[in-house]
Amino acid sequence: DSGVTQTPKHLITATGQRVTLRCSPRSGDLSVYWYQQSLDQGLQFLIQYYNGEERAKGNILERFSAQQFPDLHSELNLSSLELGDSALYFCASSVGGVWGNENIQYFGAGTRLSVL
Amino acid sequence: QQQVKQSPQSLIVQKGGISIINCAYENTAFDYFPWYQQFPGKGPALLIAIRPDVSEKKEGRFTISFNKSAKQFSLHIMDSQPGDSATYFCAASISGPSGSARQLTFGSGTQLTVLP
Repeated sequence: DSGVTQTPKHLITATGQRVTLRCSPRSGDLSVYWYQQSLDQGLQFLIQYYNGEERAKGNILERFSAQQFPDLHSELNLSSLELGDSALYFCASSVGGVWGNENIQYFGAGTRLSVL
Repeated sequence: QQQVKQSPQSLIVQKGGISIINCAYENTAFDYFPWYQQFPGKGPALLIAIRPDVSEKKEGRFTISFNKSAKQFSLHIMDSQPGDSATYFCAASISGPSGSARQLTFGSGTQLTVLP
């Protein structure tokens, strides 16, 4: 068990809808990362937050957004969903604040999103 | 560039054999190179990692070899076991001071099957 909790485990929705994925990082971890895993694109970085602030953006669509709350949990919001958004979405967390250790990212079990 | 190229895409090894997975990168700013192991239905889990100031790191049956001049690194699994059957991802990232460690850039993954 990595200590990173993602909910829900599975999500089935229709095109055009909006969903929210939730992530609780490991206790004490300040950085949260979101990744998308699909068969054709592999594991792709979406966005990173550190202690509530956005730190880096990757291949995240404008229809997607995220935030990190004061209690450090994070939510990834996906809107106007398309069939191609069907994928596994992973959250990872890292400690931050300690040089050398903060690269170690611990992944949750993921949320499998199916857009029908 | 940010790409990390991984090969082979799939690998079949007999029990007790050596599994070797290779990765190459282009961005010389990368300074942290982890390998992740992923079982079906699970999130990636850190297996072993190396920084470019060493050429080899060994943890149990797992060894990373790193060639800085060639910008290549590889994972060797000695005495491969059926329980090692999983997907392996190499990755790379850039370290930084508190909170600035960047996202992982993943290779495309290698599906390893160890036959009993």
